[in-house]
Amino acid sequence: NAGVTQTPKFQVLKTGQSMTLQCAQDMNHEYMSWYRQDPGMGLRLIHYSVGAGITDQGEVPNGYNVSRSTTEDFPLRLLSAAPSQTSVYFCASFARGAFSPLHFGNGTRLTVT
Amino acid sequence: AQSVTQLDSHVSVSEGTPVLLRCNYSSSYSPSLFWYVQHPNKGLQLLLKYTSAATLVKGINGFEAEFKKSETSFHLTKPSAHMSDAAEYFCVVSDQLEQGAQKLVFGQGTRLTINP
Repeated sequence: NAGVTQTPKFQVLKTGQSMTLQCAQDMNHEYMSWYRQDPGMGLRLIHYSVGAGITDQGEVPNGYNVSRSTTEDFPLRLLSAAPSQTSVYFCASFARGAFSPLHFGNGTRLTVT
Repeated sequence: AQSVTQLDSHVSVSEGTPVLLRCNYSSSYSPSLFWYVQHPNKGLQLLLKYTSAATLVKGINGFEAEFKKSETSFHLTKPSAHMSDAAEYFCVVSDQLEQGAQKLVFGQGTRLTINP
């Protein structure tokens, strides 16, 4: 059971480039989300999805797009990378239920120069 | 809106001594609270969760946390630290979004260092 798989693990972009961070889960979880982790700030929610075809914004959505065409996949797109998007990105999924724990991927470390 | 404050950004203890990581929360109603651990270059892993069934919650690897409503605290403890406990720890409160999804509000994190 792979859980939540994120690719790539590392990425370096130049300002203005675009890219997609991939996230896939094999637990049939309805809910998926993207977080960014910055030093001293914990994790902040970028976008989330409550099921295939349904997405919504979190607290820091600007500069990112998401889509959810299948239950398994939840890619995060950077349309025009900026240095402020240098961060570690985590994808997480969880099952329905108020106390369901999140299952995290191992993260993607992105540097924008 | 709910929030959580971890009172120490860095805690350092000796191996075999007790661990205390402090967390205070702010919530307008009965919260769902979690502690997650992050080892270097890894994703986050759930340590324990408070679900209102019991105020003392036991988690994995010998950790436990006590929910104190009067103090709005959810401190994480372990009687005897092990070298493998060195990691970053996050206190998390759950907010309910539309359609039943959870929004987790993370504390800033506490880095735990274990001295041999």
